[in-house]
Amino acid sequence: EVQLLESGGGLVQPGGSLRLSCAASGFTFSSYALNWVRQTPGKGLEWVSGINAAGTYYADSVKGRFTISRDNSKNTLYLQMNSLRAEDTAVYYCAKRPNTAERYFDYWGQGTLVTVSS
Amino acid sequence: ETVLTQSPGTLSLSPGERATLSCRASQSVSSSYLTWYQQKPGQAPRVLIFGASSRATGVPDRFSGSGSGTDFTLTISRLEPEDFAVYYCQQYGGSPPYTFGQGTKLEIK
Repeated sequence: EVQLLESGGGLVQPGGSLRLSCAASGFTFSSYALNWVRQTPGKGLEWVSGINAAGTYYADSVKGRFTISRDNSKNTLYLQMNSLRAEDTAVYYCAKRPNTAERYFDYWGQGTLVTVSS
Repeated sequence: ETVLTQSPGTLSLSPGERATLSCRASQSVSSSYLTWYQQKPGQAPRVLIFGASSRATGVPDRFSGSGSGTDFTLTISRLEPEDFAVYYCQQYGGSPPYTFGQGTKLEIK
């Protein structure tokens, strides 16, 4: 059974940093593209970042501040978030793509809440 | 950026009725890359339909998707109590590569 389990969320002050983790199981981790998607009541669902064999990708809103990475030996995806802003407050989900051809997310984690506030 | 606009924002129906949800794109979207998700409170989104019309594994056949170009539709033929949730469309293409609609809330009338 595929499982994605996020952790690392919490309360952080504006300008601060946080690192999210997503522990994966139930599939060959290194073979799949993985993404971070966030959700807020106001802006809805927003794709944040993705990583695959070809490289890493970012939404303009986080480019230069967030860094996605993966440790295939630990089956874990990361999102390093620096220079956090109030508008980064959201539930962050890690999400898996089903294969190299498809462009949707077949499995999602349960999400971790990030709150940026003083 | 491809903006997806879903309508209506809220749809009030009774169990047993037919639901028709719309997703309109600001520019043409490949049918291969149009996806529908269902989200219930406190849960992550769950994929229902991919490739505009293909049901994901385990999705009941009362759910169907159709459309092409800029207009796509999710139809639930006969609503069950567990179908009342929020539905999102999502597309791939352009920059950013993935965008989502703002959602349609399907509520019990």
